[in-house]
Amino acid sequence: GENVEQHPSTLSVQEGDSAVIKCTYSDSASNYFPWYKQELGKGPQLIIDIRSNVGEKKDQRIAVTLNKTAKHFSLHITETQPEDSAVYFCAASGQAGTALIFGKGTTLSVSS
Amino acid sequence: DSGVTQTPKHLITATGQRVTLRCSPRSGDLSVYWYQQSLDQGLQFLIQYYNGEERAKGNILERFSAQQFPDLHSELNLSSLELGDSALYFCASSPRQASAYEQYFGPGTRLTVT
Repeated sequence: GENVEQHPSTLSVQEGDSAVIKCTYSDSASNYFPWYKQELGKGPQLIIDIRSNVGEKKDQRIAVTLNKTAKHFSLHITETQPEDSAVYFCAASGQAGTALIFGKGTTLSVSS
Repeated sequence: DSGVTQTPKHLITATGQRVTLRCSPRSGDLSVYWYQQSLDQGLQFLIQYYNGEERAKGNILERFSAQQFPDLHSELNLSSLELGDSALYFCASSPRQASAYEQYFGPGTRLTVT
């Protein structure tokens, strides 16, 4: 089955710096890659996603890139702010309407 | 706010007991997924229902069961509880379109087994 690995497990940056979180997946049939942000005491919130027919997607300060050949995808956050501090999860799935397989999460701390 | 609701928010119970967790999906969504989040295992898929029917099973123990009712709300039943069942339990729902991949998570139920 699918396995998703996520690095780093913790990331500390200064406000205004960029943050990059990387994930690799094992199943070449996976074609949907969402990123979730989870704040303390809350459920995961979908922040951006990408499908395998697209190499990059941006939404204001966040972007996701996908390299299908290498089977890895990354989350990029620019101009980080303290409110970006949270746990970020990557995930993968093979087709619409199927379960997500999650990475172990990255705890991002942004200090001002 | 994702539009997915879960009750209760917290649940504390003893080993050997049985509990029921409830989830209401976003308006119009037909699919409900249950996930367990623990410190050592991360977020793991348990089971999925689509329009009242079980669609897929993940790492769900035999002591756990679920169902989805005609009004599309879902319940996750956990029985013969063990200390290791202490975790956060999330449900997520997905848009009704067959091509929809997105899943929207509820706020979760924190289960503590003592």
